[in-house]
Amino acid sequence: DTAVSQTPKYLVTQMGNDKSIKCEQNLGHDTMYWYKQDSKKFLKIMFSYNNKELIINETVPNRFSPKSPDKAHLNLHINSLELGDSAVYFCASSPDWRFGNTIYFGEGSWLTVV
Amino acid sequence: TQLLEQSPQFLSIQEGENLTVYCNSSSVFSSLQWYRQEPGEGPVLLVTVVTGGEVKKLKRLTFQFGDARKDSSLHITAAQPGDTGLYLCAGTNNNDMRFGAGTRLTVKP
Repeated sequence: DTAVSQTPKYLVTQMGNDKSIKCEQNLGHDTMYWYKQDSKKFLKIMFSYNNKELIINETVPNRFSPKSPDKAHLNLHINSLELGDSAVYFCASSPDWRFGNTIYFGEGSWLTVV
Repeated sequence: TQLLEQSPQFLSIQEGENLTVYCNSSSVFSSLQWYRQEPGEGPVLLVTVVTGGEVKKLKRLTFQFGDARKDSSLHITAAQPGDTGLYLCAGTNNNDMRFGAGTRLTVKP
């Protein structure tokens, strides 16, 4: 069974569109994350939620809006997609919000904006 | 915000060779983790080190945390093609956790 699953794995879309990436974890973890990995493979945190509450919100355009309906799900909605949004987006989870916990990553969603 | 620098950025070696990759910072960390990311996959945790000078071994991989807890190294003995991947270090202090940019290792058969 996949611990952290995200869909879709690949997404190609035109500039200006709105798209969502869904994420679910079955590990019973309290904390979930969205990370962005750019073409240079630099992994940067975007958001973190603990028990459905936002605890980390890095400097991310407000076109990106995470939504956590329950602690097992953290979806990412992106409005008005731009070319620079092309990247791999990783959902992840950890047992709790404390830094230094093991982070369990999903397989990634490859977003290409054309 | 601490900056983690990993070196080398790219490393291509033959099967059977030994190698060391580095993760350096000017900041002190309460813990440091190493992850490996294979193509098309998400990063997977290899090890967490928490004590200055700590050495941990995972089969052919040896991880060391610097005495001052500002840096770490990963040594691989007799590398195999299966070791190919992106090696990421991640440093944690009380308020933050950041990833380095990674070392991309290619082991040729």
